[in-house]
Amino acid sequence: SQQGEEDPQALSIQEGENATMNCSYKTSINNLQWYRQNSGRGLVHLILIRSNEREKHSGRLRVTLDTSKKSSSLLITASRAADTASYFCARGDTGRRALTFGSGTRLQVQP
Amino acid sequence: AAGVIQSPRHLIKEKRETATLKCYPIPRHDTVYWYQQGPGQDPQFLISFYEKMQSDKGSIPDRFSAQQFSDYHSELNMSSLELGDSALYFCASSGASGYYEQYFGPGTRLTVT
Repeated sequence: SQQGEEDPQALSIQEGENATMNCSYKTSINNLQWYRQNSGRGLVHLILIRSNEREKHSGRLRVTLDTSKKSSSLLITASRAADTASYFCARGDTGRRALTFGSGTRLQVQP
Repeated sequence: AAGVIQSPRHLIKEKRETATLKCYPIPRHDTVYWYQQGPGQDPQFLISFYEKMQSDKGSIPDRFSAQQFSDYHSELNMSSLELGDSALYFCASSGASGYYEQYFGPGTRLTVT
């Protein structure tokens, strides 16, 4: 698929646990961005990682990028019930500003 | 900080009608993007504008058109609406930085009956 894949499609964990979501793609990218979306709401920008970067942190979020394997992961540490949402990776292909979104991971954090 | 503004937030139209969605980007952002997200789907890129010129085109139907005005706001015009056009329509904007973080508006929920 040109869209890329995210796994798992759904993830249910307890508060305090870590959550890891993975994203794979097939194209050459300039950057990869992660977004959060609460049900039926807007897309909140979390992190952008450039193609020449391997890891970025923002608070409880850690994103890695392996361009040789064409994959990225988002780790949320010490999860909270408020982290319950869908998480999307979106790649910016080389030479293109538009984003191509993956299929998303639905995260449920149980209090 | 100012965010992307979209209007209206909700819109109900009948089949074959037309609809116009508006987007006001973050100040000093030069690029506007439109995305469509169907129920349970991931967002799909429709079209983008850089400095008021169309810069990229995605899966935008021929029934849809868009433009960016001199004040950088953008409008998405949708004609001959079909039931399948019911979706969330997002506008995003990005600035002149090299890696183009895109910031999304709250979306317009279009329902076609």
